Amino acid sequence: AQTVTQSQPEMSVQEAETVTLSCTYDTSESDYYLFWYKQPPSRQMILVIRQEAYKQQNATENRFSVNFQKAAKSFSLKISDSQLGDAAMYFCAYSTGANSKLTFGKGITLSVRP
Amino acid sequence: EAGVAQSPRYKIIEKRQSVAFWCNPISGHATLYWYQQILGQGPKLLIQFQNNGVVDDSQLPKDRFSAERLKGVDSTLKIQPAKLEDSAVYLCASSRPFYEQYFGPGTRLTVT
Repeated sequence: AQTVTQSQPEMSVQEAETVTLSCTYDTSESDYYLFWYKQPPSRQMILVIRQEAYKQQNATENRFSVNFQKAAKSFSLKISDSQLGDAAMYFCAYSTGANSKLTFGKGITLSVRP
Repeated sequence: EAGVAQSPRYKIIEKRQSVAFWCNPISGHATLYWYQQILGQGPKLLIQFQNNGVVDDSQLPKDRFSAERLKGVDSTLKIQPAKLEDSAVYLCASSRPFYEQYFGPGTRLTVT
């Protein structure tokens, strides 16, 4: 069975600084998708970024980028120029297909200090 | 484009009572998911529909949970009878082929 591990329960970053959130996963599949979702206190889960395993190039979305290390089964999220609005729970998630169920990690609470 | 709608947003019931949650996916999204998110954990899939057929319900506690999507559009998730450990946020999500899942605001259930 696939598992997703987020070992850091909390992190804090100074506004305008850079922070990296860690995630590891376990799978025997060769093709899969990885995601980072953001969940603010309002609870609405929002997709931040996604990575297809067959792509060697790391995905980027504005201030958000990933470091995807397929051999190490590692998928970290880097947030540059952190903003107060980035404060939320961040979940790493895995799926075997674009319309398959998501397997989530436990999440990490990110706080941003003004 | 309207997002995924869920109701109610909050529900408090006593154990052994029944409760139902409703979800209306984004128009045109054939796939609908129900997730359970217990406090301090990531969401866990309960059931996945493709149109009005069930794709995956392997983690649905079928002795007390049921779900339907009769016309392939909106869906209802029911718990009967509820237990204390069912206290959680129930998230509905939808997707179209080869695109990511969009989540609704969730229903927070408290069982006392």
